[in-house]
Amino acid sequence: DTAVSQTPKYLVTQMGNDKSIKCEQNLGHDTMYWYKQDSKKFLKIMFSYNNKELIINETVPNRFSPKSPDKAHLNLHINSLELGDSAVYFCASSLSGTARYGYTFGSGTRLTVV
Amino acid sequence: DAKTTQPPSMDCAEGRAANLPCNHSTISGNEYVYWYRQIHSQGPQYIIHGLKNNETNEMASLIITEDRKSSTLILPHATLRDTAVYYCIVRDPSNTGKLIFGQGTTLQVKP
Repeated sequence: DTAVSQTPKYLVTQMGNDKSIKCEQNLGHDTMYWYKQDSKKFLKIMFSYNNKELIINETVPNRFSPKSPDKAHLNLHINSLELGDSAVYFCASSLSGTARYGYTFGSGTRLTVV
Repeated sequence: DAKTTQPPSMDCAEGRAANLPCNHSTISGNEYVYWYRQIHSQGPQYIIHGLKNNETNEMASLIITEDRKSSTLILPHATLRDTAVYYCIVRDPSNTGKLIFGQGTTLQVKP
């Protein structure tokens, strides 16, 4: 009955590789997000999709490409991984137009690039 | 940039009330105050939110000043498991705008 689930939980990979992180929510939310938390613990938004449309695209290298096949899924593909991409990536979802429930976050994917 | 200011850290004795302040002097009329916490690199967890009235739920109480320029999150009986980073965020929920996290307050609950 997990609300927002991310896979994998841990990811260790070499520089230059391409990897994907998947996110799924079963809350019926229409908006999904990717956040990055670096070693300094700052949480920064990267992307947001509303009803499968990209609505927020922060200053993120174009090696990062989000994809939302439907409202319940938001995946993040990263090409040519660099050491600086090492971080914890959080997926979140919300229901637009209402204050009631806030955001629900997944448990994170810890990416380590070696 | 985050529109809120919080003290970087606070301590609280176990069993006592933890009062976490937040300043949001530029809050606009449509923006709500949200509180989240993050326990040791887990995903941030929603705690409570409010517009102008005080709010209470099973986790905490939220006191918002009449001018809405500041608020206080109250954990009535802090436990060791409440040790976390607490984030105060203002946001207009009527749009799909982003939730912007500041530095938050690291609350250390001590036995």
